[in-house]
Amino acid sequence: DGGITQSPKYLFRKEGQNVTLSCEQNLNHDAMYWYRQDPGQGLRLIYYSQIVNDFQKGDIAEGYSVSREKKESFPLTVTSAQKNPTAFYLCASSMREGWGNQPQHFGDGTRLSIL
Amino acid sequence: AQKVTQAQTEISVVEKEDVTLDCVYETRDTTYYLFWYKQPPSGELVFLIRRNSFDEQNEISGRYSWNFQKSTSSFNFTITASQVVDSAVYFCALSEAGDKVIFGPGTSLSVIP
Repeated sequence: DGGITQSPKYLFRKEGQNVTLSCEQNLNHDAMYWYRQDPGQGLRLIYYSQIVNDFQKGDIAEGYSVSREKKESFPLTVTSAQKNPTAFYLCASSMREGWGNQPQHFGDGTRLSIL
Repeated sequence: AQKVTQAQTEISVVEKEDVTLDCVYETRDTTYYLFWYKQPPSGELVFLIRRNSFDEQNEISGRYSWNFQKSTSSFNFTITASQVVDSAVYFCALSEAGDKVIFGPGTSLSVIP
């Protein structure tokens, strides 16, 4: 079945540590996104990529970094500069054409906590 | 600036009751898209519907129906004869043409057996 796979499901970060969240899709979508979800809040866009080797900052990019070396993969690194990383992280993908207007397909999410 | 408001933070209904989830949006564009997504306890968001600003026809899909009214900037979602499996967080979202999607804060629906 086509879909988006996020791993790990749960992740713990120590002080001063960078951690990387994996996101892989086999939907042949050009556009991919990372969102952060905090309790009682909607999704906030961290980074997005419309094509391989290109990505753009979203609304809350500080303390995060991404890469897009392959169409299928869009990993997110939470750096030590992100002072409040505890949240639920969701990866999504969509068709690129009229990208903001396309339904997005989501993974199951990664829950990141601080040790 | 675009904004999505879902004033109902949490709703509880008894199974088989009808329930309406409200969504009010703000945009300066004449071309925009509205979405509803469902987030079950498993975590992933599931796309339910997309509507463009030029199509105000209401839509029905099984027990789900959507009422889009540009005059009041609302895109409300009704579940008829609710079931326990409808328990989830529901997000309304807005996209101005060619731009990123803005999500509302979500409404948590609990359907009690």
